[in-house]
Amino acid sequence: GAVVSQHPSRVICKSGTSVKIECRSLDFQATTMFWYRQFPKQSLMLMATSNEGSKATYEQGVEKDKFLINHASLTLSTLTVTSAHPEDSSFYICSALTVPIIDTQYFGPGTRLTVL
Amino acid sequence: AQTVTQSQPEMSVQEAETVTLSCTYDTSENNYYLFWYKQPPSRQMILVIRQEAYKQQNATENRFSVNFQKAAKSFSLKISDSQLGDTAMYFCAFMKHDYNQGGKLIFGQGTELSVKP
Repeated sequence: GAVVSQHPSRVICKSGTSVKIECRSLDFQATTMFWYRQFPKQSLMLMATSNEGSKATYEQGVEKDKFLINHASLTLSTLTVTSAHPEDSSFYICSALTVPIIDTQYFGPGTRLTVL
Repeated sequence: AQTVTQSQPEMSVQEAETVTLSCTYDTSENNYYLFWYKQPPSRQMILVIRQEAYKQQNATENRFSVNFQKAAKSFSLKISDSQLGDTAMYFCAFMKHDYNQGGKLIFGQGTELSVKP
């Protein structure tokens, strides 16, 4: 089956620094990737949708300058949390799919970000 | 806008018993997909079952089956012969059938299921 990886799985950083999270589709071409944020015991909140080669579409309330998303190739999308603060600490999950098979979305294992 | 509601934050069931998780949704769309995802303690999201709205027949996957009531906008998940490995957070999700939207999922709040030995 299709596999999506995320790196790193855990990251701890100091307040004010930037952190980059990678999401890779290992055995298929991901035309669309999604980034979610999840707080403990809560649901997944969609942050943005990225299509290869174009700018990401952010959900309402998500700061574009804070969460930079790049989808430079059909197998890689990155999320950069800029000038991270403790309130950015969360679990970040990516998922990927290939158009036109839009009913099958493959999830990465997630990245736990802790900002001190 | 579409919404998905799971009204049971927590549920528990004895091993080998049957449990049903509830989900309702609101949409004006006619073509869409519904999903149940499982998130075990590892936090890896796992697809449990998928239902296309145009299909009247309820989807089944081994011990997992759904009761899809399109008019009532209800999509419940039944787990038969519950196993300890079924312990997880379960999310109901909605997706509009729109290639332009690229398959955006809308999740419910989740139901935390505990299977007790």
